[in-house]
Amino acid sequence: QSALTQTASVSGSPGQSITISCTGTSSDIGASKYVSWYQQHAGKVPKLIISEVSNRHSGLSSRFSGSKSGNTASLTISGLQTEDEADYYCSSYAGTGNYVIFGGGTRLTVL
Amino acid sequence: EMKLVQSGGGLVQPGGSLRLSCKADDFTFGHSWMSWVRQASGKGLEWVAKTNPLGSEKLYLDSVKGRFTISRDNAENSLYLDMDSLRAEDTAVYYCASEFYWCLDNWGQGALVTVSS
Repeated sequence: QSALTQTASVSGSPGQSITISCTGTSSDIGASKYVSWYQQHAGKVPKLIISEVSNRHSGLSSRFSGSKSGNTASLTISGLQTEDEADYYCSSYAGTGNYVIFGGGTRLTVL
Repeated sequence: EMKLVQSGGGLVQPGGSLRLSCKADDFTFGHSWMSWVRQASGKGLEWVAKTNPLGSEKLYLDSVKGRFTISRDNAENSLYLDMDSLRAEDTAVYYCASEFYWCLDNWGQGALVTVSS
């Protein structure tokens, strides 16, 4: 039940683009299309933003996009806005068991 | 979308017990896998337990096996987490969530569990 690996923090200026990476193994991310991303604003409940690697959840801005290559999934946010400042978590089907594993989270700061 | 409303939580001494509840407002609850996820203060998300729509299959994080029990009452659209032999390291906000193909699409508002003497 090991966690996925995410960079602890990333920052960008309004209007810029950033990418958050999430690295797993050939047993989880590498073997599955069931990679999700969640956004959590400070003190709030996590919210699903991307499912199945690249499907934007209902109503999500097209500025958010997801992709996967090998054992690494990525979340790209273009045209950064101040309201994008939040913690972002990736998750995946665990592979060896029928459960979800999460990344450690990435804090996005919009300068 | 399924709305999930949680109750329970609070302060409990080490070794004590607590029950968390999660009620859905949607009939699709009875067709949904349901999970519990926790988050210690300042830390990331950690999956804790899940159950299938019938409640016949239950899976647990290794560190809570034998201490926590997930259950559901589909007639009441409710999910439960019974936590026994609580430890300080179980202190966290606990969220219930519906799960669709390992994607947690609807979340409860969270319940704080504090294990301390």
